Amino acid sequence: DIQMTQSPSTLSASVGDRVTITCRASQSISSWLAWYQQKPGKAPKLLIYKASSLESGVPSRFSGSGSGTEFTLTISSLQPDDFATYYCQQYNSYLFTFGPGTKVAIK
Amino acid sequence: EVQLVESGGGLVQPGGSLRLSCAASGFTFSSYALSWVRQAPGKGLEWVSTISGSGGSTYYADSVKGRFTISRDNSRNTLYLQMNSLRAEDTAIYYCVRHKGGYSSSCFDYWGQATPVTVSS
Repeated sequence: DIQMTQSPSTLSASVGDRVTITCRASQSISSWLAWYQQKPGKAPKLLIYKASSLESGVPSRFSGSGSGTEFTLTISSLQPDDFATYYCQQYNSYLFTFGPGTKVAIK
Repeated sequence: EVQLVESGGGLVQPGGSLRLSCAASGFTFSSYALSWVRQAPGKGLEWVSTISGSGGSTYYADSVKGRFTISRDNSRNTLYLQMNSLRAEDTAIYYCVRHKGGYSSSCFDYWGQATPVTVSS
């Protein structure tokens, strides 16, 4: 199975900050990576697919990059609505796997 | 509007069975692969199982293989998850999710609100 790791596990940031989350795969997954945002008590929401494609309706302050085994999610200017947990997910194989999550908290 | 509405969760004893359902609307049901994803209390997301749009192909996580069965009724726009031999570690909320573009190999673009499953004596 492909293992996914994320760093950091938690980060504290202020409104307006630029935030970057890293996701690594245990083997190459080409660009088959998605990013989700989850708020407490709510279902995850797709933000980015195929590593860098912005899902419809998602603000342009979110962007994704990377290929192979290393990927990043960047929030260019953190907004109050962005405090949440972010998960990466590989879909290179049918044994879909998620990263452990990165919680973005208010500083 | 795409809607996925799960039901069937509840409290069950270890070794017991439960069947989850997911009623879908707002899209051409048979054209989309669907999956179940679960989340244990305070934990991350875990993919459980996938079924193709036709129902002809199914995939399972190793943790549930041989115990869980995914199925769908395209005439009723409903997805199912039959869960047998339940264990404490199956305790989680279970999400029904739709695959983006309909492909079994794609990521998940719509999620239901989840149904809770608690396995405890």
